[in-house]
Amino acid sequence: KNQVEQSPQSLIILEGKNCTLQCNYTVSPFSNLRWYKQDTGRGPVSLTIMTFSENTKSNGRYTATLDADTKQSSLHITASQLSDSASYICVVRVNDYKLSFGAGTTVTVRA
Amino acid sequence: NAGVTQTPKFQVLKTGQSMTLQCAQDMNHNSMYWYRQDPGMGLRLIYYSASEGTTDKGEVPNGYNVSRLNKREFSLRLESAAPSQTSVYFCASSASVPYGYTFGSGTRLTVV
Repeated sequence: KNQVEQSPQSLIILEGKNCTLQCNYTVSPFSNLRWYKQDTGRGPVSLTIMTFSENTKSNGRYTATLDADTKQSSLHITASQLSDSASYICVVRVNDYKLSFGAGTTVTVRA
Repeated sequence: NAGVTQTPKFQVLKTGQSMTLQCAQDMNHNSMYWYRQDPGMGLRLIYYSASEGTTDKGEVPNGYNVSRLNKREFSLRLESAAPSQTSVYFCASSASVPYGYTFGSGTRLTVV
């Protein structure tokens, strides 16, 4: 069973609108949680990294939140742009050299 | 540009053929990784190299071998390709403290 579950699998939003992606994890112990953006045909690119003591972290129009008690994280995209069309992957660090990856949420932004 | 370079970008193999995927990074990172990405699944670790001269198995190492040629280069070899190895392969690197992985653009491999 995957230790990192993301929802929804995919979503379509209109340009300029906001959206929120969810991530639930069961990894324990937990040291940090990351969100990556993966454009089609490209490798993942880091958006945010949060430790268990951080509740929120922003990177431009992307804001990630973390609730370590409920083991939930979210990624909020504000004022979406066409370039935000991509897969967004939630990743939890398991140990020094192992990350547990979610399957990703595919976001499509339409004009 | 600094980063992780993978070659080739695309490859089609026949069952039983062998090939080596190449990966090089120019960021002076100590650690390097090979992942595979399959539809509907998260990336899975095949092998990693914590530092030059060391390699270790990840979650799905069967059917693969690796070589950490030097600090810059980390190759992945398929000795006898199988259709189950059809996937997109990503190489990544990180500094000693494994924050902020940098990924290559991937190799799309099809085994027929």
